[in-house]
Amino acid sequence: EIVLTQSPGTLSLSPGERATLSCRASQSVDRNYLAWYQQNPGQAPRLLIYGASNRATGIPDRFSGSGSGTDFTLTISRLEPEDFAVYYCQHLGTFGQGTKLEIK
Amino acid sequence: QVNLMESGGGVVQPGRSLRLSCVPSGFTFSSHVMHWVRQIPGKGLEWLAVIWYDGSSKDYGDSVKGRFTISRDNARNTLYLQMNSLRVEDTAVYYCARAGYCLGVKCFIFDSWGQGTLVTVSS
Repeated sequence: EIVLTQSPGTLSLSPGERATLSCRASQSVDRNYLAWYQQNPGQAPRLLIYGASNRATGIPDRFSGSGSGTDFTLTISRLEPEDFAVYYCQHLGTFGQGTKLEIK
Repeated sequence: QVNLMESGGGVVQPGRSLRLSCVPSGFTFSSHVMHWVRQIPGKGLEWLAVIWYDGSSKDYGDSVKGRFTISRDNARNTLYLQMNSLRVEDTAVYYCARAGYCLGVKCFIFDSWGQGTLVTVSS
């Protein structure tokens, strides 16, 4: 069973800064099945990235994904106030535990 | 506009059953693989079950296998999750999710989610 470990658990940054979130798989995975989701409090998750690097419909280009094998990264180039949320990576039926992005 | 609306949540005693429903709108239901995902309040996401377009194939996460059953009625435009032998640890918000992208036979990219329905298992 594949385990996805996200780091850091919490990331404290200011608007305008760059955010780098990591997702590490316990074994090599097919990048085609690696996705990232954003979840705001009290809301359902929203798909950001699929296939490791493809932005979903309507997702701003400040969001980008990269990686392969066991290491994947979600980058937010310039943080906007609405980007402070929890982010999850996912591979098939497995989710990471999440990274909380909070305002510093 | 794609929308998914779950219902059927509530408070139930351990060992009892509950059936959740999910009604889609804004897209052709029968053209999409569908899933159930849950989230314990304040915790992460857990995938539960998937059902193929016509209901011919289903799969489950280990924690619910043998207790939960996913089904769909394309004529009634409804997705279901039958939950039996409920446990305290099944307390969570339950989401239905649409698989928007399929790669081969694997349809695990969730491009639309409902707002969720809360199930509380307590005596």
